[in-house]
Amino acid sequence: DSGVTQTPKHLITATGQRVTLRCSPRSGDLSVYWYQQSLDQGLQFLIQYYNGEERAKGNILERFSAQQFPDLHSELNLSSLELGDSALYFCASSAPRGAATDTQYFGPGTRLTVL
Amino acid sequence: QQQVKQSPQSLIVQKGGISIINCAYENTAFDYFPWYQQFPGKGPALLIAIRPDVSEKKEGRFTISFNKSAKQFSLHIMDSQPGDSATYFCAATLTTSGTYKYIFGTGTRLKVLA
Repeated sequence: DSGVTQTPKHLITATGQRVTLRCSPRSGDLSVYWYQQSLDQGLQFLIQYYNGEERAKGNILERFSAQQFPDLHSELNLSSLELGDSALYFCASSAPRGAATDTQYFGPGTRLTVL
Repeated sequence: QQQVKQSPQSLIVQKGGISIINCAYENTAFDYFPWYQQFPGKGPALLIAIRPDVSEKKEGRFTISFNKSAKQFSLHIMDSQPGDSATYFCAATLTTSGTYKYIFGTGTRLKVLA
């Protein structure tokens, strides 16, 4: 157990709909990262937040947005869903700079299926 | 310059054999090189990691070899077991603006035959 939690575990929805994925980082971690992993594909970095502020953006579509709240949990919002958005979405967290480790810890993922 | 190139894409090894996965990078500012193991349907989990001031790190059957001058690092799995069958990702980390930027390789799917 990495200490990173993600909900829901599975999500099935229809094209055109909007969903919200939730992530709680490990206790003490300030950074949250979101990744998309399509079937048999690598990890596509979407976006990173650090202590509530957006720090880096990857290949995130304009239909997708994220935020990190004061309690450090994060939500990834996916709208106008398309079939191609079906994937595993992972959240990861890491400690602040200067901590003993800069390891990134991954959550169990949310499997999104768009029908 | 931010890429991490990983090879091979897939690997089949006999039980008891040695599995070797290679990664190469360009940016000399990377300062941390972890390897992650991912089983189907699960999140990647840290396997072993190395910093560039060390040429080798060993943990059980897993060894990272690091060649700073060549900007390459590799994962060696000794005495490979069927339970090692998984996808392996290398990564390189850049410390910037008080946080860490991770660049992942494309992954290697390892299958160990019983």
